[in-house]
Amino acid sequence: NAGVTQTPKFQVLKTGQSMTLQCAQDMNHEYMSWYRQDPGMGLRLIHYSVGAGITDQGEVPNGYNVSRSTTEDFPLRLLSAAPSQTSVYFCASSYSLAGASSSYNEQFFGPGTRLTVL
Amino acid sequence: RKEVEQDPGPFNVPEGATVAFNCTYSNSASQSFFWYRQDCRKEPKLLMSVYSSGNEDGRFTAQLNRASQYISLLIRDSKLSDSATYLCVVITNTGNQFYFGTGTSLTVIP
Repeated sequence: NAGVTQTPKFQVLKTGQSMTLQCAQDMNHEYMSWYRQDPGMGLRLIHYSVGAGITDQGEVPNGYNVSRSTTEDFPLRLLSAAPSQTSVYFCASSYSLAGASSSYNEQFFGPGTRLTVL
Repeated sequence: RKEVEQDPGPFNVPEGATVAFNCTYSNSASQSFFWYRQDCRKEPKLLMSVYSSGNEDGRFTAQLNRASQYISLLIRDSKLSDSATYLCVVITNTGNQFYFGTGTSLTVIP
């Protein structure tokens, strides 16, 4: 299993450009999510999906779109990049969230995408 | 109020020391608890789940105190390789989101 993969690893954009961060998992996980991580802020949830065709907003969704057409893929689209979106972006997946702590709700993370917006 | 709060540290401890981190959560109906480890410029990885009765994995012990709404992580006999940021993670009873603390930085000094 490749686990959770993300592309690209690094990206530099100019203000106003759009781009898509790719995320894929091969573990047949239902739950997928996107986080951004900024110094002193921890991981903040952008969008998440509980299954194919279902997406919802997290804590900081503005400026981002997602879609979940298949179980495996969960791309994150930046509509019009702004310097405030400079961050490290992590995609994660888990089998589910339900129930008490167990291997079913362990989250697996991709290696991250380091995005700089000039 | 944040869902999950942690002391950011940093904790600088000598090799062989015992160190403990606490994390508080605000939703009393939270149902799942975890400690994740994140190395510098890497993705977070699960260190251990936290069970109601407490659990141990080698030098690591996790405890849950529902009455006071905190979880703890104890690391015994610290190794240089334990240097990392430790993230507290909670899933609430609404079950749609993982909530992360901001992390506690640990440096183990030779």
